[in-house]
Amino acid sequence: DIVMTQSPDSLAVSLGERTTINCKSSQSVLYSSNNKNYLAWYQQKPGQPPKLLIYWASTRKSGVPDRFSGSGSGTYFTLTISSLQAEDVAVYYCQQYYTAPPWTFGQGTKVEIK
Amino acid sequence: QVQLQQSGPGLVKPSQTLSLTCAISGDSVSSNSAAWNWIRQSPSRGLEWLGRTYYRSKWNNDYAVSVKSRITINPDTSKNQFSLQLNSVSPEDTAVYYCARVIAGTTGGGFDYWGQGTLVTVSS
Repeated sequence: DIVMTQSPDSLAVSLGERTTINCKSSQSVLYSSNNKNYLAWYQQKPGQPPKLLIYWASTRKSGVPDRFSGSGSGTYFTLTISSLQAEDVAVYYCQQYYTAPPWTFGQGTKVEIK
Repeated sequence: QVQLQQSGPGLVKPSQTLSLTCAISGDSVSSNSAAWNWIRQSPSRGLEWLGRTYYRSKWNNDYAVSVKSRITINPDTSKNQFSLQLNSVSPEDTAVYYCARVIAGTTGGGFDYWGQGTLVTVSS
């Protein structure tokens, strides 16, 4: 199975500041035939299920604020929140679907307000 | 708007069977483009995909290796729902269990709709 590793495990950021979360996969999730990265990002708030933010590594799901963006290719990916808002406090997960099944997730990155 | 509503007991005794149901509204369990999944979350294992059922001219299932000998996921077309059965549970199966949809061609392999989650505790 592909192992997803996120960094850091947690971070505290001031309101309005830029937030960057990293995700590394143990093997490439780039499918050469269509040049798509089989990677998604989720946001999970306490007591709620994860919410899909981004798929194909950089495509925002409809309704997701444009301060959220995804980048990267192959084995290294980044989720960026351009200007942190109070409602963005959550745990963020990356997930690969290159070899799905099984789908595998990163361990999560907790974002708090400094 | 798709909604997934979970039901089932929150407490199961060791060695017994965990049973949960996920009722679907706004889509069909028999959809030719969707797959219906169970995922669990615990502090020790994180988010763990358990298995799926989907219809592509016939019913198909895939299961995680870690639970393959103990798990069954069944569709119920009459009630538009699907179920999870996990046999011979132990305290290590204590987790929040989620049902979730993945739909081909729309959001890649991302799970776009989730149930509300059910905390299942395995304890005598």
